[in-house]
Amino acid sequence: VMTQSPLSLPVTLGQPASISCRSSQSLVYSDGNTYLNWFQQRPGQSPRRLIYKVSNRDSGVPDRFSGSGSGTDFTLKISRVEAEDVGVYYCMQGTHWPFTFGGGTKVEIK
Amino acid sequence: QVTLRESGPALVKPTETLTLTCTFSGFSLGTRGVCVSWVRQPPGKALEWLALIGWKDDKFYSTSLKTRLTISEGTSKNQVVLTMTNVDPVDTATYYCARVLSNNWGFDLWGRGTLVTVSS
Repeated sequence: VMTQSPLSLPVTLGQPASISCRSSQSLVYSDGNTYLNWFQQRPGQSPRRLIYKVSNRDSGVPDRFSGSGSGTDFTLKISRVEAEDVGVYYCMQGTHWPFTFGGGTKVEIK
Repeated sequence: QVTLRESGPALVKPTETLTLTCTFSGFSLGTRGVCVSWVRQPPGKALEWLALIGWKDDKFYSTSLKTRLTISEGTSKNQVVLTMTNVDPVDTATYYCARVLSNNWGFDLWGRGTLVTVSS
């Protein structure tokens, strides 16, 4: 089970934001990798992957987004929130079958 | 350019079987490490992983839905088909397909999704 917090995150433009994702079991695979991904879903759009394997940013993702963590606890940070960052963020584990998503965190501007 | 597109009926009746097709381009399911997966999202709710088919034709399913789901390669080599039997109004959702690469087990590219409503 993947548990995200908070459920909702009102943020002032230009301020940092942090989203937590906790797994009920370790996400370290037998090959030593940790298959934890972060997705952004803007209103009315498909999900878009931001981060894979805990901390690797996808091509085209602004460097204000960063991922960290290990084992069962992970964090997505936005260093300075911009208006285009509004949406719902999901973590997802690809270590254990079946794959599972967190419940989502809604980021909105105060 | 890699693209994925979902297609299927917009409306199905309860107890019917739903068949969805993911048509993709720019990659091959026969390439080592390449997979295609289905994810759904009920209106206003979170994403839910459904099924995945891999390059060796290995298949994986959601535990709660595995008795109702079948994922397979389509008649065209650039298609993946998902069937769901005995649908219920709770299956109303936007259904997405996505490419998955086994070197990071992340869904790097998604289709635009197709909304399926289950209602009599």
